Amino acid sequence: DAGITQSPRHKVTETGTPVTLRCHQTENHRYMYWYRQDPGHGLRLIHYSYGVKDTDKGEVSDGYSVSRSKTEDFLLTLESATSSQTSVYFCAISAGTGHNSPLHFGNGTRLTVT
Amino acid sequence: AQSVSQHNHHVILSEAASLELGCNYSYGGTVNLFWYVQYPGQHLQLLLKYFSGDPLVKGIKGFEAEFIKSKFSFNLRKPSVQWSDTAEYFCAVNPGGATNKLIFGTGTLLAVQP
Repeated sequence: DAGITQSPRHKVTETGTPVTLRCHQTENHRYMYWYRQDPGHGLRLIHYSYGVKDTDKGEVSDGYSVSRSKTEDFLLTLESATSSQTSVYFCAISAGTGHNSPLHFGNGTRLTVT
Repeated sequence: AQSVSQHNHHVILSEAASLELGCNYSYGGTVNLFWYVQYPGQHLQLLLKYFSGDPLVKGIKGFEAEFIKSKFSFNLRKPSVQWSDTAEYFCAVNPGGATNKLIFGTGTLLAVQP
């Protein structure tokens, strides 16, 4: 398995509080992604990064921000958590964008917003 | 907007039965196509991928998929399923292949009965 560590693995938080999820990789891959997984929606891209300090929005970026100050870390922040952000969050990495660079996923973070 | 449709949401099969899961996408240009599998409680793992060449792609664990460009389809098949194939299966498309920003289908939950 690719060296991807997500923390925390589980979190329960209250509406309105800030939350930061961390994705750490040991593969030195250039690309990192945050997806959320919800029943009936599959996985949807929140934000992605194509290098240190280079990030861009995905299809469901509202309410989320990201930062990548080092190659190995990609942080996802919910500035003010809402119940609609209860989900399982997956980080993914890839070395590039070609056919030899599929996405590898972390084990996920289950976030519950009460 | 690009989209991926998986019409079978929940499939129940007996061991040794044949499997075919449908996947259709909406994008007229060059696409890269993937099938991922998520075993209970685990992260997504790549089953197989299509980038170019032979439209019949073989993946791990006896799975294969056929890319039919005229039908915008990439159906997953396995001639004889096992109980250990019980999982959720996701089709994904990378339209244009620029950044590995995959668009996922909503998933098909496969339950194989012994």
